[in-house]
Amino acid sequence: GESVGLHLPTLSVQEGDNSIINCAYSNSASDYFIWYKQESGKGPQFIIDIRSNMDKRQGQRVTVLLNKTVKHLSLQIAATQPGDSAVYFCAGASNTGNQFYFGTGTSLTVIP
Amino acid sequence: DGGITQSPKYLFRKEGQNVTLSCEQNLNHDAMYWYRQDPGQGLRLIYYSQIVNDFQKGDIAEGYSVSREKKESFPLTVTSAQKNPTAFYLCASSIGDQNTEAFFGQGTRLTVV
Repeated sequence: GESVGLHLPTLSVQEGDNSIINCAYSNSASDYFIWYKQESGKGPQFIIDIRSNMDKRQGQRVTVLLNKTVKHLSLQIAATQPGDSAVYFCAGASNTGNQFYFGTGTSLTVIP
Repeated sequence: DGGITQSPKYLFRKEGQNVTLSCEQNLNHDAMYWYRQDPGQGLRLIYYSQIVNDFQKGDIAEGYSVSREKKESFPLTVTSAQKNPTAFYLCASSIGDQNTEAFFGQGTRLTVV
């Protein structure tokens, strides 16, 4: 089956530092990945996505890196702010249809 | 404003009762999804629908039912057959093409009392 998982369940960083959240996936046929941010009691919000024909994509303060060789992607948040505290999920799209498979999530805590 | 709306935000159910969670979207999206989220866990797919009048089981469909009579609506019924229904339920929609993101509602927290 397909699965997407995260290496670490929790991450604490000092305000202003950079954060790196990692994710591994098992289905080599997945060709589209998304990072979501979920605040407590709310639905996930889209942060950034990347297609398999890319290995890096940058947004505002965020960068996603994709390493297809080892089936790994990461989310880098620059100059982490208290408002970045949330749970971050990676999701992989199924190559058989428009389904998304989510990892367990990493809880990011920013220390002021 | 365009978006996806779930209601109610909180729902309490007595054991043995069926309850229906509402999900409406005005994004003109073809695909809609229901996920279940338990504490400390990721999202698990219950059902999804790629088009009106068609839907498919996800990984944990047992004890749930859905309908897709209208493009904008995808209600989820949690039946009495679902043995552990207390969870946070998330509805999402997407354009339906591959390689496009899903947009989520704000969730419904269901508690069995």
